[in-house]
Amino acid sequence: KAGVTQTPRYLIKTRGQQVTLSCSPISGHRSVSWYQQTPGQGLQFLFEYFSETQRNKGNFPGRFSGRQFSNSRSEMNVSTLELGDSALYLCASSLEGQAYGYTFGSGTRLTVV
Amino acid sequence: DQQVKQNSPSLSVQEGRISILNCDYTNSMFDYFLWYKKYPAEGPTFLISISSIKDKNEDGRFTVFLNKSAKHLSLHIVPSQPGDSAVYFCAALSNTGKLIFGQGTTLQVKP
Repeated sequence: KAGVTQTPRYLIKTRGQQVTLSCSPISGHRSVSWYQQTPGQGLQFLFEYFSETQRNKGNFPGRFSGRQFSNSRSEMNVSTLELGDSALYLCASSLEGQAYGYTFGSGTRLTVV
Repeated sequence: DQQVKQNSPSLSVQEGRISILNCDYTNSMFDYFLWYKKYPAEGPTFLISISSIKDKNEDGRFTVFLNKSAKHLSLHIVPSQPGDSAVYFCAALSNTGKLIFGQGTTLQVKP
């Protein structure tokens, strides 16, 4: 059974650019959640998608957005990148959104220069 | 406002000894807590959880203790092994269904 796949694994972008990250959940999982991990801050919740609808949202600016497709794959977009957006972005999938059923991907390491 | 706090960024213990990782929370409405382990270049993996109706949950070498009055939980690993070296995150399940994580504690187990 394939795990949660995140692409790309590493990314370097320049300030002001935009970026799109992808997450393919475990087959059959309908919920995808996104987290940002930075040193000293732990994992900060970005948003959750379930059946193509955003069901939950964290306290991040509008530059951070996402979407989910009919096959449950999800993308996260960050526009007008800032140096502080450099982080590891993790997605987690679960069947119905139960947090105790989360399986995390390995993440995308984004560096903004 | 950090609702889940892990005040020790790092911990170093000798192989075979006990590792105790601590976590504090501020919201008394939290009723389910989880611990995750994270190796470099990998995503967090679920380790153990505890419901607020319990004060202890044990799974092999891992035991989680919950003190609701103190809003404190701890993860005990005994005996510690070098393969346990990783970053450990505690998390609380909010009433909206999202996980709120602490900052993480890096555990180093020395052979």
